Amino acid sequence: EAGVAQSPRYKIIEKRQSVAFWCNPISGHATLYWYQQILGQGPKLLIQFQNNGVVDDSQLPKDRFSAERLKGVDSTLKIQPAKLEDSAVYLCASSSRGSTGELFFGEGSRLTVL
Amino acid sequence: GESVGLHLPTLSVQEGDNSIINCAYSNSASDYFIWYKQESGKGPQFIIDIRSNMDKRQGQRVTVLLNKTVKHLSLQIAATQPGDSAVYFCAENNYGQNFVFGPGTRLSVLP
Repeated sequence: EAGVAQSPRYKIIEKRQSVAFWCNPISGHATLYWYQQILGQGPKLLIQFQNNGVVDDSQLPKDRFSAERLKGVDSTLKIQPAKLEDSAVYLCASSSRGSTGELFFGEGSRLTVL
Repeated sequence: GESVGLHLPTLSVQEGDNSIINCAYSNSASDYFIWYKQESGKGPQFIIDIRSNMDKRQGQRVTVLLNKTVKHLSLQIAATQPGDSAVYFCAENNYGQNFVFGPGTRLSVLP
């Protein structure tokens, strides 16, 4: 079974530029999450999708972050404009049982904002 | 909101010894807990989980203990190996709400 795929693995941008990350969850997993992991900290939830609907985006900085999962499969997370404090690893995870079961994580996309 | 924390940010153990990684959680209503292992440059990987109706669960070389009275979770790794070197996170969940992750403990296995 293929795991959660993410791209790009690494991205370096200047502040105020934009960036987009892509995630393809495990086939059949209805629930998809985007987490932000700042160096030395645990993952922090940004947004949760159930199929193509948003379940929880309460911690997403909506003035600069946006995410979509239009067809209920893969998802894109965008940051525009980026700030220095957005430097982090952006992890995508999926689950077949929502938040009542194990989360399967991708390798992450490491963003450096200069 | 709820928070999950760890007593020890770093832990060094000799190869072959047993490791114990601790986690304190603050939400007494949390009913599901997972331990994740994260190696450098990789995403978190599931190790073992436990639900609040249990106080102990064993896997291969790993055991999770849950003490709901003091809101404490621990991960025991038997015969620690170099491949166990990683950061370990506990995560709690409250009846289907989103997981809250702790800050992590780095485990270093000494030869």
